[in-house]
Amino acid sequence: DADVTQTPRNRITKTGKRIMLECSQTKGHDRMYWYRQDPGLGLRLIYYSFDVKDINKGEISDGYSVSRQAQAKFSLSLESAIPNQTALYFCATSDPQRPNEQYFGPGTRLTVT
Amino acid sequence: AQKVTQAQTEISVVEKEDVTLDCVYETRDTTYYLFWYKQPPSGELVFLIRRNSFDEQNEISGRYSWNFQKSTSSFNFTITASQVVDSAVYFCALSESYNSGGSNYKLTFGKGTLLTVNP
Repeated sequence: DADVTQTPRNRITKTGKRIMLECSQTKGHDRMYWYRQDPGLGLRLIYYSFDVKDINKGEISDGYSVSRQAQAKFSLSLESAIPNQTALYFCATSDPQRPNEQYFGPGTRLTVT
Repeated sequence: AQKVTQAQTEISVVEKEDVTLDCVYETRDTTYYLFWYKQPPSGELVFLIRRNSFDEQNEISGRYSWNFQKSTSSFNFTITASQVVDSAVYFCALSESYNSGGSNYKLTFGKGTLLTVNP
């Protein structure tokens, strides 16, 4: 089984809809991250969480919110989706003992029409 | 602020050619880590290598090799005898501590290089 899983893997939604992307991990890591990838722009950090009670904004958090329901689960929400949020979204985890190494999920491809 | 530059947006080669992907980084830290990831057409990110700033030894893994030069702030990646299966987007990334205790790291990605290997 994969250590970091993301659901759904693909999603098409309409402008204005609320959507939640979920991430689960079995690695036992405290730290979790959400990134988005746009063609030609690499990955950019949306939010990160160092434990259940610690959530921080990344460089492009506007239009997004997150919830750390448990150590193993970190959800990303788009309250009112817009077309420029169409992207590939990645969840990642890291271990505080090796904080510079991040393990990525398979990605969620989101299309907002 | 840290920065990673992959100047080559796209590279196209013919199978069996050698190809080098360039990565130049900027950081003010003396301790940092560099990474290469591969993203095949299926979309997942595949970890290839990690190198810390104190280890300038070049590394070879099969057809892959990495040349880390602190003097030029570069961490280049060479694929020898390229194959069609090497076609992917390749990302270079820099991990740098942003707190004094060194327990919090920020990972910054380059914009990626699309490598196409033609048969």
